Amino acid sequence: DTGVSQDPRHKITKRGQNVTFRCDPISEHNRLYWYRQTLGQGPEFLTYFQNEAQLEKSRLLSDRFSAERPKGSFSTLEIQRTEQGDSAMYLCASSLGVVMETQYFGPGTRLLVL
Amino acid sequence: TQLLEQSPQFLSIQEGENLTVYCNSSSVFSSLQWYRQEPGEGPVLLVTVVTGGEVKKLKRLTFQFGDARKDSSLHITAAQPGDTGLYLCAGTYNTDKLIFGTGTRLQVFP
Repeated sequence: DTGVSQDPRHKITKRGQNVTFRCDPISEHNRLYWYRQTLGQGPEFLTYFQNEAQLEKSRLLSDRFSAERPKGSFSTLEIQRTEQGDSAMYLCASSLGVVMETQYFGPGTRLLVL
Repeated sequence: TQLLEQSPQFLSIQEGENLTVYCNSSSVFSSLQWYRQEPGEGPVLLVTVVTGGEVKKLKRLTFQFGDARKDSSLHITAAQPGDTGLYLCAGTYNTDKLIFGTGTRLQVFP
C-alpha cells in the first residue's frame, strides 16, 4: 500500500513531556500538510511543506510546535512541553503540488495528554 | 478569517431515507471538496467541485456547488448504514491549504 502513513497511531503522554510524530507521504508527492482535529470538529490547518521548504504556518502553531521535512520526504511534528489542550488527532496529508491537487490524508496520530 | 458552516451538525435517520447536508461561507471558494471520515481514520475525499453551479454525482450521492461559489450541498438518496460517518466540506481560497467545515455526523440505522 502506498498511501500516507503516520506513526504512532496513538500516543498517551503526561503534561510537560515532549512528543514527536512522523508522517510518510505518498511517494513523489511534493507537498505535505499537517492538520489538527479536536473532538467533534473539522481539521484545522497547521503548516505545509513544498519539498523541504516550510511555506506556511498557522497561528495555531505556537512556539512549542515545530515541524520539519529535512529531505523532502517524510516529515516530523514535535510538540514540546505538552499541555492538556494539545490533546487531538494530528493528521498528515500529501499532494502532488499542482494547484488544487487532491490532498490524501493519513490515518492520523491521536494524542492524549494527561 | 474564512469560516465554513455546515448544517445540520447531527443527523440520525432510517435506512432508505434521503438527506441533504449544507455547507455555507461568506467568502468565495476557489474550490470545494467533500470528505467522509470514519472514527479513528483520516478524511477520505469524495468529490471536488470548482465551477459555480456544478453538479457531480457519485452513485447515490449528489454534490452541488452554488452559482456564487459560496455554498455547497451534499444529497444522499436512499441512505444505507454504510453511509454512516462524519461528512466534512473543505474549501480553498487562493491557496492549497484546506479550510474545513464544522462537520455533519450522520448515523443511518438499519
